[in-house]
Amino acid sequence: DTGVSQDPRHKITKRGQNVTFRCDPISEHNRLYWYRQTLGQGPEFLTYFQNEAQLEKSRLLSDRFSAERPKGSFSTLEIQRTEQGDSAMYLCASSSSGRGYTDTQYFGPGTRLTVL
Amino acid sequence: QKEVEQDPGPLSVPEGAIVSLNCTYSNSAFQYFMWYRQYSRKGPELLMYTYSSGNKEDGRFTAQVDKSSKYISLFIRDSQPSDSATYLCAMSDRDDKIIFGKGTRLHILP
Repeated sequence: DTGVSQDPRHKITKRGQNVTFRCDPISEHNRLYWYRQTLGQGPEFLTYFQNEAQLEKSRLLSDRFSAERPKGSFSTLEIQRTEQGDSAMYLCASSSSGRGYTDTQYFGPGTRLTVL
Repeated sequence: QKEVEQDPGPLSVPEGAIVSLNCTYSNSAFQYFMWYRQYSRKGPELLMYTYSSGNKEDGRFTAQVDKSSKYISLFIRDSQPSDSATYLCAMSDRDDKIIFGKGTRLHILP
């Protein structure tokens, strides 16, 4: 399977714990995006990387959230001191961008986080 | 007013019917328009991608963009029970972050 993969698929944690999610993009894609989706809503943009550079962060991304893409390949999203309001599906997407063009985004299956 | 408005449904239609899904938007700078299909507890799957105004057809799916009215549509011909899913309209003004609608839940009745 050469699509976007995410790990874990499901995570249940207690309030106050830290969690980390991983995303592996389509191999030739240089852009990687993180979105959050709550029940009955569309995905909401959190942040994106071009190669290893984090180019934009949403106001939704509080100080408890941090994302990295150290070698321009896979990315991690960490949530510190989780709150019940963090319960959501965390989606990763990737795309290919070059001079004068950007392909559209292809999404992974998501990581469903439940904070008890 | 939200940037992208989409009726959440649910929309129920009999098998074989033509389905019409729509979104309106407020940001005239949007120029990239997409439709994604999302099955329960899965990630969104790209169906159609359109740049600027016009129509695009792919098999049973037709996407229309009317920038003058800030209105986009997705038509599904000969609908099948396997088309039952949530359909998300999405758009962007640049080639990076996407703004999504809430999604419309579609049920195709056998």
